[in-house]
Amino acid sequence: DAGITQSPRYKITETGRQVTLMCHQTWSHSYMFWYRQDLGHGLRLIYYSAAADITDKGEVPDGYVVSRSKTENFPLTLESATRSQTSVYFCASSERQYNEKLFFGSGTQLSVL
Amino acid sequence: DAKTTQPNSMESNEEEPVHLPCNHSTISGTDYIHWYRQLPSQGPEYVIHGLTSNVNNRMASLAIAEDRKSSTLILHRATLRDAAVYYCILRDYYGGSQGNLIFGKGTKLSVKP
Repeated sequence: DAGITQSPRYKITETGRQVTLMCHQTWSHSYMFWYRQDLGHGLRLIYYSAAADITDKGEVPDGYVVSRSKTENFPLTLESATRSQTSVYFCASSERQYNEKLFFGSGTQLSVL
Repeated sequence: DAKTTQPNSMESNEEEPVHLPCNHSTISGTDYIHWYRQLPSQGPEYVIHGLTSNVNNRMASLAIAEDRKSSTLILHRATLRDAAVYYCILRDYYGGSQGNLIFGKGTKLSVKP
């Protein structure tokens, strides 16, 4: 079924390791987003992308790197994972940025030990 | 960023209407009002959005106050599946960083059989 998929669904890693979370959408949406969700903070925007090779920071970008070489993929990399990055990560996409609904993936639950 | 205020939690009985309030007293003229919901262990899901006029779709209705400083999401007949956290979000029409969805803590809706 077409849509937006995230992988892996669950990930456990250790402090200092590099981790990449994958996001793939089949609609050819221009905009893609990464959010993290923590208890007490709700969802916070990490990075977003307006098109291939165009990315910009959100509210909490420190410690994360993104790339968008193809429209359909928007991976999120934690270059050196820290315990504070333990969270649930959601990817989303939309056709346009404003006045347009976002479609979210099912999330990746990341634990950094 | 414009902010919204929602009750932390609400309860409803199954098959009864539910009115979820949202205050946004600092809304600007170019802000759309968006509602999303998040079921347990899932990503957020778009519900409805509007600018000035009341809006209806198959999921819900959105009633917007004349001064636009508040709005109400109406679920006409709550089902157990409607138990979720509901987010009221302002989103700038012109996009840019203000066009990104900024989630608050939302209202946790419980539905009793």
